[in-house]
Amino acid sequence: EAQVTQNPRYLITVTGKKLTVTCSQNMNHEYMSWYRQDPGLGLRQIYYSMNVEVTDKGDVPEGYKVSRKEKRNFPLILESPSPNQTSLYFCASSLWGAGAFEQYFGPGTRLTVT
Amino acid sequence: RKEVEQDPGPFNVPEGATVAFNCTYSNSASQSFFWYRQDCRKEPKLLMSVYSSGNEDGRFTAQLNRASQYISLLIRDSKLSDSATYLCVVNSGNTPLVFGKGTRLSVIA
Repeated sequence: EAQVTQNPRYLITVTGKKLTVTCSQNMNHEYMSWYRQDPGLGLRQIYYSMNVEVTDKGDVPEGYKVSRKEKRNFPLILESPSPNQTSLYFCASSLWGAGAFEQYFGPGTRLTVT
Repeated sequence: RKEVEQDPGPFNVPEGATVAFNCTYSNSASQSFFWYRQDCRKEPKLLMSVYSSGNEDGRFTAQLNRASQYISLLIRDSKLSDSATYLCVVNSGNTPLVFGKGTRLSVIA
């Protein structure tokens, strides 16, 4: 089954404790992206990757890191989480680029930082 | 002016009603347009792309007006299962997609 998977689905952590949210897709997609969704603010892009070893900042990259060592994986790293990073996070992938192709989203990771 | 603007709603409509959402975008160079649907606490999923000539998929019709820089989504014969948030999405080439904040629809029995 073609899908984007994220782990964990739910995470409660404390300020400053490094964490990684994994994202994996099995569709051989070139493009992958991370979004956060907050009430009243909609979906905002954190980072994206056009291909392996190519990553770029989105609209809200502060406090996050990513890597794209393999085509299928695009982990999101929070080196020192803070309460303002409490949010619902979605990973997405698409065939190529960011434009004309359908974005496939993972199921979401609900992160709470206390 | 925000890049992509939508009326947040909620739109509360009875079953069988016709409802229309509009979405305006600010970048005249925008090339690709989409409507995504998001159920509560779930991931967004593509509902339909929006083509210049307009397109229809069953009860759903999408239209693009480049001159006025807006896209629309029309839902006919609303079903309870249509209750969701509808996201307008715009792209301007190889730049990241821009999502609207969504319009919430509740279809009531």
